[in-house]
Amino acid sequence: GAGVSQSPSNKVTEKGKDVELRCDPISGHTALYWYRQSLGQGLEFLIYFQGNSAPDKSGLPSDRFSAERTGGSVSTLTIQRTQQEDSAVYLCASSVTGTSAYEQYFGPGTRLTVT
Amino acid sequence: GENVEQHPSTLSVQEGDSAVIKCTYSDSASNYFPWYKQELGKRPQLIIDIRSNVGEKKDQRIAVTLNKTAKHFSLHITETQPEDSAVYFCAASTGTYKYIFGTGTRLKVLA
Repeated sequence: GAGVSQSPSNKVTEKGKDVELRCDPISGHTALYWYRQSLGQGLEFLIYFQGNSAPDKSGLPSDRFSAERTGGSVSTLTIQRTQQEDSAVYLCASSVTGTSAYEQYFGPGTRLTVT
Repeated sequence: GENVEQHPSTLSVQEGDSAVIKCTYSDSASNYFPWYKQELGKRPQLIIDIRSNVGEKKDQRIAVTLNKTAKHFSLHITETQPEDSAVYFCAASTGTYKYIFGTGTRLKVLA
């Protein structure tokens, strides 16, 4: 079946502009995650959605970052007033559920470059 | 807070040799330990995982060992091949969605 998809694959934006990154999880997966991967670094947790529960936003680095998940499926990560330090690969993942530790399936990522 | 340390950051081995990557976790409540492989320009993919009720798990050339007392776990790859070249990430979870990832190990298998 179809895996996790993300769009765009690459995004170049000017400092100060807003960007939206999209994630389509695997159908039927109730849990969705966003991570940030900076060059040569590990996976930094940003936010987690589980069904209709309140999201865990504890990893968002500043109030310029926000995310929503509509209808329990597609998610959008928004970065307002982008800064150069926001340049990274943003990875989305989904799993059957987040209430137990299950395999997280990753999307191909969106490479964001802020000039 | 919770932390996972991963070593080494880079590892070069000759084709056919073994590779070992080690991770140490800080939260003693951690009970699930997945390993992900990320080839250049591609998404991370799960290659093996272990839960705290077992000490070792093998899948062909890949094995993972867990020492709960010392709070560390290791990935072992035997008979390495060029296609094993990638970045490997360990992670620890207390049994919920929250994975704490290590910083990754770049493995190069030299032909």
